[in-house]
Amino acid sequence: DQQVKQNSPSLSVQEGRISILNCDYTNSMFDYFLWYKKYPAEGPTFLISISSIKDKNEDGRFTVFLNKSAKHLSLHIVPSQPGDSAVYFCAARRVGNTGNQFYFGTGTSLTVIP
Amino acid sequence: NAGVMQNPRHLVRRRGQEARLRCSPMKGHSHVYWYRQLPEEGLKFMVYLQKENIIDESGMPKERFSAEFPKEGPSILRIQQVVRGDSAAYFCASSPDVNYGYTFGSGTRLTVV
Repeated sequence: DQQVKQNSPSLSVQEGRISILNCDYTNSMFDYFLWYKKYPAEGPTFLISISSIKDKNEDGRFTVFLNKSAKHLSLHIVPSQPGDSAVYFCAARRVGNTGNQFYFGTGTSLTVIP
Repeated sequence: NAGVMQNPRHLVRRRGQEARLRCSPMKGHSHVYWYRQLPEEGLKFMVYLQKENIIDESGMPKERFSAEFPKEGPSILRIQQVVRGDSAAYFCASSPDVNYGYTFGSGTRLTVV
């Protein structure tokens, strides 16, 4: 049961343009959302997060938007740079009896073309 | 301050052998999580451990898989009698507190031949 979905397995963008990565979720109990970035042969690294009480969080070139009614979030990268080429995972947190559990999407591979 | 250390980076096992994957969390982190990434799939939660305790193993296959996080030493994910379908990248993550996000290791890529 995939509770966090990234329907676009890949995305190509020209350098300098905007990259928009999308993520949908099904569980309304998720209270915190994160984006992780993963380079080949490395583990995922935390990029940016947003609480469910907000609809936007910005950090430099990265902005995450949350639409709770649509159960949708997106990551905007402006301007895109070749070093941004990586796989991006969306994750959502649910607080359970044993603590938090994070659910990950299947990832979107971003290629920024110089 | 070293990050989350996983070893080995690559592990090749024949069908029926045992695989042992090690994870040393970041200094000061007492919460360890194991995730598995199968080809063409996302990261799937397997197990959450604190020192000497398994907190949540709801993502662990019922047979052949076990995990531990002893008082001293790294966390170990053990897979007995490996099969081809166990071939995947196994990631360990750690956090200082249950309310914090994870820091991931670089993963162990297991190949069963």
